[in-house]
Amino acid sequence: QTVVTQEPSFSVSPGGTVTLTCGLSSGSVSTTYYPSWYQQTPGQAPRTLIYNTNTRSSGVPDRFSGSILGNKAALTITGAQANDESDYYCILYMGSGISVFGGGTKLTVL
Amino acid sequence: EVQLVESGGGSVKPGGSLRLSCVASGFIFSNAWMSWVRQAPGKGLEWVGRIKSKTDGGATDYAAPVKGRFTISRDDSNNTLYLQMNSLKTEDTAIYYCTTNNYYSMDVWGQGTTVTVSS
Repeated sequence: QTVVTQEPSFSVSPGGTVTLTCGLSSGSVSTTYYPSWYQQTPGQAPRTLIYNTNTRSSGVPDRFSGSILGNKAALTITGAQANDESDYYCILYMGSGISVFGGGTKLTVL
Repeated sequence: EVQLVESGGGSVKPGGSLRLSCVASGFIFSNAWMSWVRQAPGKGLEWVGRIKSKTDGGATDYAAPVKGRFTISRDDSNNTLYLQMNSLKTEDTAIYYCTTNNYYSMDVWGQGTTVTVSS
């Protein structure tokens, strides 16, 4: 069974840029996987950041961008702020109606 | 404003059943694909399943751990999404979120309802 992989943790300095990735245990991610990204802070419901690879959800600042980098989907945060400290999840559409979340990345801003 | 309000969570013994509801407002529910996503305590997000709009065939799809036990349905006349959960297991303990879909991505999320399966 193919697993969706994310970095377990990442840190970035305030004002810095960080790129989180979303890959497959076997194979390459492409736009046909419709990668999307979600932000979740403790005790809150997730918030959609990016869908369909690189489309920002309504109200999401342009500091957040999505792309395909090499064989993975990527979420880039530029000008990191303290309130970006959250868990970030990606999800991929695997075909045949099935979607799978990655394990999430805990981002620390310090 | 798009709003999703889940209800129906609670405590149930293993082997029991529960039906979750999600009332939608602020958009044309009948046109929307909808999903359920869950999150076990201290764990990550897990996609549970999806239902397409009736105009797109109304098909449902499920994650392997719940297939055959959970059923997603919709009542477009009442703007309500359902998740019928049977043969519940302790590992089904989670917060269950209702979401709208955009392509195969989730879009707007509800606040969630908590399900606890314990003897």
